[in-house]
Order: sequence, then structure tokens, then C-alpha cells
Amino acid sequence: LAKTTQPISMDSYEGQEVNITCSHNNIATNDYITWYQQFPSQGPRFIIQGYKTKVTNEVASLFIPADRKSSTLSLPRVSLSDTAVYYCLVVGGSQGNLIFGKGTKLSVKP
Amino acid sequence: GAVVSQHPSRVICKSGTSVKIECRSLDFQATTMFWYRQFPKQSLMLMATSNEGSKATYEQGVEKDKFLINHASLTLSTLTVTSAHPEDSSFYICSAIRRGHEQYFGPGTRLTVT
Repeated sequence: LAKTTQPISMDSYEGQEVNITCSHNNIATNDYITWYQQFPSQGPRFIIQGYKTKVTNEVASLFIPADRKSSTLSLPRVSLSDTAVYYCLVVGGSQGNLIFGKGTKLSVKP
Repeated sequence: GAVVSQHPSRVICKSGTSVKIECRSLDFQATTMFWYRQFPKQSLMLMATSNEGSKATYEQGVEKDKFLINHASLTLSTLTVTSAHPEDSSFYICSAIRRGHEQYFGPGTRLTVT
């Protein structure tokens, strides 16, 4: 499974756009990029998944450049409730076991 | 969306006893479920892969005789922590794969061994 690297922590203020970048230099051809959000004492929650270019849903956008060696999760206009740990994972086509990295702890301040 | 439940959400047990944690996929069948463990301020660590109707596959360093996994049906996997010790205190999370969709996680079970 491709290893991912992302910042340990990020700070933001309410109403700002937050971009979290993840690098995955050895991503395989059939791998997808998936982001999860985790609040304290809760299981991870799926945010978004993509293969290339741009994916957008009601929660976030995911930008993936042509070489797919990195990806950026974009959270528009964050609120205090977006304070959480965000995990970037590279998942094989069969969506097997997920290997979690350290994640990015996002702190949103008023 | 798909829901995965865990029971209990919290459990406190005495050292040396066994504890069973249930993981259920509520609205879909899951041939594969996963069990993770998460210590405070750390990331999730995969413990084992649970396959319906067959033996679980354990990650390196996880004792299969201590962490018994039974995937008896397409909607239920159980993790039994046998002879629990304080160092087994952790947050245990299960997940299930829904065919053609992403992996869904349960809410977690907080185990405290006294």
C-alpha cells in the first residue's frame, strides 16, 4: 500500500477555506485517494474519494494533479465543528484493509 | 447511508476477564470486516481482517489467541479480548466494506481494564 505524508497539524479560523495536502509518491495505477475525518472517541467518517482531477461533494473538494503523486483536500468555509483529525489514505481497487498514517489535526478557532 | 454499529460503546472490566465486542453492518452485507485499535493521540492500527466463514487474518504483532475474532454471519463480526490486562485498554473500532462503496466505520468501543 502506498504510504502517505501529510502535515501533523493545521490551524484555521471560522469561515476560511482550508486546504490539506497529502503526498503519495508511490501510488499505484489502480489506487484511489480517500479522505476520512475523525472526531475524538468516534470512528472515522468518509469524506471524499477520487482517482484524478477534481471531485466535489457537499462537504469538500478533492484536487488531484495529473501525476497523482499528491492530493489536496479543500474544506470551504470551515466552522468550529470541523475541528478534527483528517486522514489521507491510498486505497487499492479492491478496497482492502486501510493503513492509516498519523493524519492532520485541524484546529478551527473562532 | 450505510451504518455500522458496535456494542458496547464503553466497557470496563477487571484484569483477567474476557470482553466481547460486537460489530454489525445494519443495512448491508459485509463479507469482510476489519478491526482496528487506537491508543490516545495515536492513529488507528489495523489488528485483523475478518472474513465471513473463514479464519481471521491477523496483522504482525497481534496475538490471535488473545484477540479472538468470529465472523459468523454477513452482518456480524465479534472481537473477544481474552484475559484482558490494563495495557489492552484502548479504543477498538471496526469497519465493513460494502460492495462497490467505501469502507464504513463503527462508532468505536472504549475498553478500560482495571
